[in-house]
Amino acid sequence: DAGVTQSPTHLIKTRGQQVTLRCSPKSGHDTVSWYQQALGQGPQFIFQYYEEEERQRGNFPDRFSGHQFPNYSSELNVNALLLGDSALYLCASSSLQGHLTGELFFGEGSRLTVL
Amino acid sequence: KNEVEQSPQNLTAQEGEFITINCSYSVGISALHWLQQHPGGGIVSLFMLSSGKKKHGRLIATINIQEKHSSLHITASHPRDSAVYICAVPGEGGYNKLIFGAGTRLAVHP
Repeated sequence: DAGVTQSPTHLIKTRGQQVTLRCSPKSGHDTVSWYQQALGQGPQFIFQYYEEEERQRGNFPDRFSGHQFPNYSSELNVNALLLGDSALYLCASSSLQGHLTGELFFGEGSRLTVL
Repeated sequence: KNEVEQSPQNLTAQEGEFITINCSYSVGISALHWLQQHPGGGIVSLFMLSSGKKKHGRLIATINIQEKHSSLHITASHPRDSAVYICAVPGEGGYNKLIFGAGTRLAVHP
């Protein structure tokens, strides 16, 4: 079992560009959440996908969008990049019953640097 | 005021010491998570607990729901325990929407 896989692991973009980050959840998991972690801070919830729909959203602008595919994998898109978008982007997966079991798995993250 | 606060922010210990990391939260919760983050960035879930105490190896987590406080203890600390330890609580609307503390950076020296 590969666990949660994210790609790319590192990337550098310039202001104004667009970026797409990808996440494959752990086998058997159907719920994917995305988090942004700035240096020295705890992760901040961006949004959650279940059944190919955005179910919850944190306090992030519309420049942040996402998608979930029928195989439960997910993408995070960020448009019009700002310097402040530089962060580690984490994907977390769980099953529908994850809230009962406490099973929550994180990927290694995608580190985005905006110059 | 942050909804989840941890103390201390940084902690240095000698190998073998007993370590305590504290977490206080202001929201009503059904459960609290303790997680570990290594320098590479990946996060590993250590515990989810809603009452009392849980133990896994040298790690012990306790929670007092009434006082909205949890502690993570590490007995006989080892350099491989060096990491950032983060507590998190569920936000409104769903389990996966976690509200994280800022983390406690632990360094254990031989």
